Amino acid sequence: EPEVTQTPSHQVTQMGQEVILRCVPISNHLYFYWYRQILGQKVEFLVSFYNNEISEKSEIFDDQFSVERPDGSNFTLKIRSTKLEDSAMYFCASNFGIQGDEQYFGPGTRLTVT
Amino acid sequence: RKEVEQDPGPFNVPEGATVAFNCTYSNSASQSFFWYRQDCRKEPKLLMSVYSSGNEDGRFTAQLNRASQYISLLIRDSKLSDSATYLCVVNTDGNNRLAFGKGNQVVVIP
Repeated sequence: EPEVTQTPSHQVTQMGQEVILRCVPISNHLYFYWYRQILGQKVEFLVSFYNNEISEKSEIFDDQFSVERPDGSNFTLKIRSTKLEDSAMYFCASNFGIQGDEQYFGPGTRLTVT
Repeated sequence: RKEVEQDPGPFNVPEGATVAFNCTYSNSASQSFFWYRQDCRKEPKLLMSVYSSGNEDGRFTAQLNRASQYISLLIRDSKLSDSATYLCVVNTDGNNRLAFGKGNQVVVIP
């Protein structure tokens, strides 16, 4: 069964450093997403991406964040200058984008900012 | 008001018992509703979509009440493997953004 993959599984970085989280969505899906979950809190939407551009973003997704589809398979989330409060689990998801369609989540990258 | 509200629990359930919980959502324009399951430190996985007429999948039954803006999940004959956090998830119209509740933590006790 196809699945979303993410690398790395755990990333430790120092405050102020740039990080890039990588995702490979399911190959024939059209919409890609990033969500985050701070420990003990709910899953929060960050951004959705379709046709090589952002289709929606939340207020969390400020200028420090960017997304890219650098090739036909990868989807990346970059945090330009990490803060302590960016420590969280980051989940990538993908689907066909039809209303009511399931979003398939990757296993997540645990980001720890020290 | 939070978009999706759930009572986090935990819900301690004897094996074989029935457990039910609700969540409420604030946006009356919401179109799609789901229950996802999340195991500790894992990704959310779809348990079931929730349809207006209510739907059942084995031991799991989901109901939607649009007038009162709540969704329910009932688990019958609880198994130890049902121990997890159950996330109420809502998708508002016109976009694909999912809004998550904080989850109902279920612990099935032998």
